[in-house]
Order: sequence, then structure tokens, then C-alpha cells
Amino acid sequence: QKEVEQDPGPLSVPEGAIVSLNCTYSNSAFQYFMWYRQYSRKGPELLMYTYSSGNKEDGRFTAQVDKSSKYISLFIRDSQPSDSATYLCAMSPMNYGGSQGNLIFGKGTKLSVKP
Amino acid sequence: NAGVTQTPKFRILKIGQSMTLQCTQDMNHNYMYWYRQDPGMGLKLIYYSVGAGITDKGEVPNGYNVSRSTTEDFPLRLELAAPSQTSVYFCASQTGKKANYGYTFGSGTRLTVV
Repeated sequence: QKEVEQDPGPLSVPEGAIVSLNCTYSNSAFQYFMWYRQYSRKGPELLMYTYSSGNKEDGRFTAQVDKSSKYISLFIRDSQPSDSATYLCAMSPMNYGGSQGNLIFGKGTKLSVKP
Repeated sequence: NAGVTQTPKFRILKIGQSMTLQCTQDMNHNYMYWYRQDPGMGLKLIYYSVGAGITDKGEVPNGYNVSRSTTEDFPLRLELAAPSQTSVYFCASQTGKKANYGYTFGSGTRLTVV
């Protein structure tokens, strides 16, 4: 089993829909969870960050972590065409990079929001 | 603030040629990374550095070399290019103090080996 699993999609939704993106993981040591957004032909950019379990909300975006199930989610409310991008989950056991603390990335889910 | 700057943006290499992908950051970040991204395969770590003079291998280091003589620069060297090295290469940096700052990525170098 890979350390981080993410459905690559593609996922196509109409404008205004609620989008749910998910990742599962196998390493129980992961404590820090992130979502990156990558537009076509651009580098990934940090979208959301959560520590341990719980929810975090930022505007139309909500990140959820369920450590008991080793499952994380990103919800996008009132999706817009500008949300069309690839979304990558990432996680790490430590509070900093380097050696054992490097981020482990999912393969990314490609999202398309149709007007 | 320029952030992380990668050059060149595009390059076509012939099999057996060599080249250096440049990466520089102006945020005084300690940690820097090189990833390659292939369609459907996600980001794979090639090499990383936790500070000037210190580098270490990632998941897929074969065929690549790095150096870190300054905090700002982290070049990636390809020796004897092979078609398997056709990919998009991303450089990233992180402060190294708190994970919630995340990685800052460059805009990538699209490399084709023919």
C-alpha cells in the first residue's frame, strides 16, 4: 500500500457545486496535513494547512482530518471555474522538512468546474 | 519578492547531453528541494538540502546531482541525459522552522530529452 493515496480523477462538476476531494494514508505518524492547488503549467501553491485531527475553514474551502480513519478531505463550496486545477494533498510527521520530515504528496486530483 | 525562480522554463536536450537547471530563492529559506512531476505520477523528490553545504538523496536521485554552496542557490545537474528524464522539474523551498509555512514552489522547468 502506498503511503498516500489520492484518486487522480478527472472530476468534472457544474459551477456552484460542492466539491469533495480526498486522500487516504497509511503512516500513523503523519501529524501535518496540507492541500496544494496547481494550475496548469504552474507550480503548486499552498492552499490549506491543518495539524492533527479536526476541521479548518478558509472562505469557501474546508479541510478535514480524521486520523482514526487515516483520511483527509478538502471541500470546496460554491465552486467556480477559477477553481479548475489539480489539487494535491501532502502530509508529514514532523513540523519541519528535511530527512524524516519531508512532505509526502498524493498524485493529485484534476478538477474541472464547468460554467 | 521574487520567491523561487527557476531557469530555463523550457529545454530540449539530446540523449547524452548534460545541463544544469537553476534554482534560486530570495526568502532566506534553509530547506530546498528538487522534484520531478510526470503525468499521473505526482511529485517525486530527487534531492533536498537542509542548508548550505548539506544535501541528501530523495526518492529518485539516479542520473542527477546537486550542490548547495549558498543559501539562495540549489542547482540540479543532469549528466548524460536519457529519455526517462523527460519531465517537469520543480524546485521548492521552506523556512525549515514550521511546516505550516508550507513549501514555496518555482514555476517549473519543462525538459524534453530526444
